[in-house]
Formats: sequence, structure tokens, C-alpha cells
Amino acid sequence: AQRVTQPEKLLSVFKGAPVELKCNYSYSGSPELFWYVQYSRQRLQLLLRHISRESIKGFTADLNKGETSFHLKKPFAQEEDSAMYYCALSGPTITQGGSEKLVFGKGTKLTVNP
Amino acid sequence: NAGVTQTPKFRILKIGQSMTLQCAQDMNHNYMYWYRQDPGMGLKLIYYSVGAGITDKGEVPNGYNVSRSTTEDFPLRLELAAPSQTSVYFCASAGQADYGYTFGSGTRLTVV
Repeated sequence: AQRVTQPEKLLSVFKGAPVELKCNYSYSGSPELFWYVQYSRQRLQLLLRHISRESIKGFTADLNKGETSFHLKKPFAQEEDSAMYYCALSGPTITQGGSEKLVFGKGTKLTVNP
Repeated sequence: NAGVTQTPKFRILKIGQSMTLQCAQDMNHNYMYWYRQDPGMGLKLIYYSVGAGITDKGEVPNGYNVSRSTTEDFPLRLELAAPSQTSVYFCASAGQADYGYTFGSGTRLTVV
């Protein structure tokens, strides 16, 4: 079964400190992994996808298949990074017999203090 | 380009009442989804659709119904509202070759 675990409900850091939001997954195949962000009173937005290997707003995430992890990192947190972060996993595509569904973790609320 | 539009933004229902949450997208996306977001529980998939005329159950479909008569619209129906359906509901869509979801702004529903 596909499962995404975000072990920290809450994470608090000071401005300028490094931040790491943890995400572990359970999936037997080759997953597509994502990070979504939800700022206060806003809709969820795609932050980054592992397949694109890009850095958005200074955040990066590396897929570690050996540890089945996809932790989100930023070297210097900013106050505007305060938000709810969701890790998500996509299983097989339609052409692979799947259905293009995302499974979300329970989320981590990041607070960056001044 | 409006993206994904959800209406209403807020609604209070009495137990046993019915309502339809509307969701429309203008990106010609094939895939559409309904999630509910409960505090501390993340997002749970209610129903999804891979194209007009095709719908399927997600993780928590009980008490809900959907239809997909057009590519653009994917309404979610609550027939007999219960307090357990108090939640924030998000609609999302995705293109066929696109793994990123576009989310609506959500509907906050309270059942009293």
C-alpha cells in the first residue's frame, strides 16, 4: 500500500536557521514524489517535484530510495516560509495500470520565528 | 485563466440537509479530484475522475456522490449531511501528462 509519513506535526525554527521537513514513504514501485505548501488562508500549491530536480524558493528535496525518504530542506529559513507543508506520493500512471492519484502525508506546520 | 474555481467558500448545513459543492476548471484537465482536509489528518481522497463520464471512489467516499458530465465540472453532492462531514473540501485537477495538481481555494463546511 502507498503511504506517506511526515513524523513532525509542528516544526519551529528561527529566521536564518536551516530547516528540514521529513517525509518517508512506503511504495513498492518507483514513486513520483512532491511537496505541496499551503500558506495561511491560501490554497495548496505545488512547491516542487522530485523528477524535475529543481529548487523553488530556496527549498530542495532529494529522493533517497534506500531510506525511502524525500526530506525538504532549506539552508536559511525566512519568516515567509511559515506554512503547512505536505509531502505527497503518486503511484502508477494510467498507462501503467494506475489512476494518477496522489497520497498525502498529514502535513507539517512550519513556523519561522523572527 | 481562473484555474480551479470552487463555490461556495463557506457553508453551514443542518444535519440531514443536502448540498452540492461546485468545482470547475478551465485548463482542459482530464483528471479531477475531491479531497477533504481535517485538522491533523492531512488530505483524504473522496472521489476522483479521469475524464468526462468516468468517476471512481477514493479513500473516504461514504456520504458523498459525484458526477462528471463535462470535462470542466466536477460537483460533489452531500445527500444527508452529518457532523462528521464538517471539514474543508478541496477540489483539484491535473492534466494528462502533468503530475502537478492545481487546487481550488476550498470550501469550509460546517454541519450542525
